[in-house]
Amino acid sequence: AQTVTQSQPEMSVQEAETVTLSCTYDTSESDYYLFWYKQPPSRQMILVIRQEAYKQQNATENRFSVNFQKAAKSFSLKISDSQLGDAAMYFCAYRSPSKIIFGKGTRLHILP
Amino acid sequence: GAGVSQTPSNKVTEKGKYVELRCDPISGHTALYWYRQSLGQGPEFLIYFQGTGAADDSGLPNDRFFAVRPEGSVSTLKIQRTERGDSAVYLCASSLNSGTQYFGPGTRLTVL
Repeated sequence: AQTVTQSQPEMSVQEAETVTLSCTYDTSESDYYLFWYKQPPSRQMILVIRQEAYKQQNATENRFSVNFQKAAKSFSLKISDSQLGDAAMYFCAYRSPSKIIFGKGTRLHILP
Repeated sequence: GAGVSQTPSNKVTEKGKYVELRCDPISGHTALYWYRQSLGQGPEFLIYFQGTGAADDSGLPNDRFFAVRPEGSVSTLKIQRTERGDSAVYLCASSLNSGTQYFGPGTRLTVL
């Protein structure tokens, strides 16, 4: 069965600095999708970035980028120039054909 | 509508009662998913619909939980004989076929 592990329950970063959130996963499949979702206090899960496993190039979305290491089954999220609005829970997720499997999340605090 | 909507936003009920939670997916999205998010955890998959049929209900915890999507659009999650352990945020998501899932704001269920 697929699993997703986030080993950092909480992290803090100074505004305008860079922070990296870690994620590892386990799967026997060769083709899959990985995601980072953001969940602010409003509870809405917002897609931050996605990576297709067959693509070697790391995905980027403005200030958000990933470091995808397929052999190591690692999928970290880097947030550059952190902003107060980035404060939220961040979930790493793996998509099997019909469902998404989420990690337990990392709460990110932005220090002004 | 522009996004996935869920009603009610909050639901408080007493142990043993029956509840219904509603999800309105993004117009045209063929796939619909229900997840349950307990406090301090990531969302856990409950059930997935493709059109009107439940394609995967492997996440439903027991036979007190049931979901329908009779016309292939709106879905209702039904919980019978609620227990305190059912208290959680219930999230709904929709996607076009098996593409990116877009989440609603969730329903917070509290069982007293």
